[in-house]
Amino acid sequence: GNSVTQMEGPVTLSEEAFLTINCTYTATGYPSLFWYVQYPGEGLQLLLKATKADDKGSNKGFEATYRKETTSFHLEKGSVQVSDSAVYFCALVNTGFQKLVFGTGTRLLVSP
Amino acid sequence: EPEVTQTPSHQVTQMGQEVILRCVPISNHLYFYWYRQILGQKVEFLVSFYNNEISEKSEIFDDQFSVERPDGSNFTLKIRSTKLEDSAMYFCASSDEGYSNQPQHFGDGTRLSIL
Repeated sequence: GNSVTQMEGPVTLSEEAFLTINCTYTATGYPSLFWYVQYPGEGLQLLLKATKADDKGSNKGFEATYRKETTSFHLEKGSVQVSDSAVYFCALVNTGFQKLVFGTGTRLLVSP
Repeated sequence: EPEVTQTPSHQVTQMGQEVILRCVPISNHLYFYWYRQILGQKVEFLVSFYNNEISEKSEIFDDQFSVERPDGSNFTLKIRSTKLEDSAMYFCASSDEGYSNQPQHFGDGTRLSIL
């Protein structure tokens, strides 16, 4: 079946530190991959996506590259801000389907 | 920017009662979804809906659940006889196309508490 595995949180960083949140996936087909972010008290917001191997999604300084050979889609940001504190979800949709399969989410805490 | 809106933000219901959660998807979107997140667990897919029909559903979406698009703007999730384990955050989402590479846009959720 399809599944997404994310690193356990919380991830605690100081402002301007480098961020990596690991995500690996298992899928029977050729999935599209997504990162969603959930700020406190809010819903899920699409952060970035990649739809085929070697694609790089980017938004608001965040990046993730679709690596088919390692079945990974790690989220990175060069310099985090306090305002980036949130829960980050990696997710996939397999070809021919509509349902998003989510990872467990990783909480990021950034201190000044 | 257009957004998905959900009401109410918090619903408290007695076990065994029926509950209806409401959503207004983005106006030009054609595909609609419900997900739920039990506290501390993953976000789980419940159902997708297109052209007034369920297009995909999970094993969670049993006979106690139903969805409806009663008019041109609303999309509802009904739970017929609520159980304690239905307590969760319920998210509605919509997309303009049903392809797997199209992002789904989420509302802020309805927190359902069953007593």
